[in-house]
Amino acid sequence: GAVVSQHPSRVICKSGTSVKIECRSLDFQATTMFWYRQFPKQSLMLMATSNEGSKATYEQGVEKDKFLINHASLTLSTLTVTSAHPEDSSFYICSARFPLHTEAFFGQGTRLTVV
Amino acid sequence: AQSVTQLGSHVSVSEGALVLLRCNYSSSVPPYLFWYVQYPNQGLQLLLKYTSAATLVKGINGFEAEFKKSETSFHLTKPSAHMSDAAEYFCAVKEASNTGKLIFGQGTTLQVKP
Repeated sequence: GAVVSQHPSRVICKSGTSVKIECRSLDFQATTMFWYRQFPKQSLMLMATSNEGSKATYEQGVEKDKFLINHASLTLSTLTVTSAHPEDSSFYICSARFPLHTEAFFGQGTRLTVV
Repeated sequence: AQSVTQLGSHVSVSEGALVLLRCNYSSSVPPYLFWYVQYPNQGLQLLLKYTSAATLVKGINGFEAEFKKSETSFHLTKPSAHMSDAAEYFCAVKEASNTGKLIFGQGTTLQVKP
């Protein structure tokens, strides 16, 4: 079946630096990719929806200048957390939608720790 | 607007006992419904989905769910719990829009006791 690969699985960075997280679809071309943030013991919070070749659509309350999303190809979307601060520490998960599939496929997630 | 409510943030069962995780949805259109499982520090894995075909849906790992329109429910069950079933479970409805994004419930932590 379709596979979504997310990298890195864990990253620790210093406050003020930027971190890039990659989300790749390995078997199919993804028409749409989604980025979520998950706090401990909580559900997934949708941050943004991205379509290949167009600007991402951010959910209300999500700072688009801080969380930069690029969907340059049908198999790759990236999330860059700019000028990271400790409060950005979280679990970030991407998912992809593929043609002819009703369900979304999820990456393995990235645990970001900002120190 | 569509929404999903999972009743019970934490469910504890004994190994071998019946698992029942509750999910109710709200939707003005025929919904697409999903159950996902999440193990610690991992992404979500699809257990099963309802897409307006059979109301009783069988998924992986012995799980199944029944779509009941009259009760707006899509509860997840498994006859006999295994220790490996301990995880976080999310019910979701697919938004009726072009993006098709998923709307998740709050999640239910399943604990399985030996």
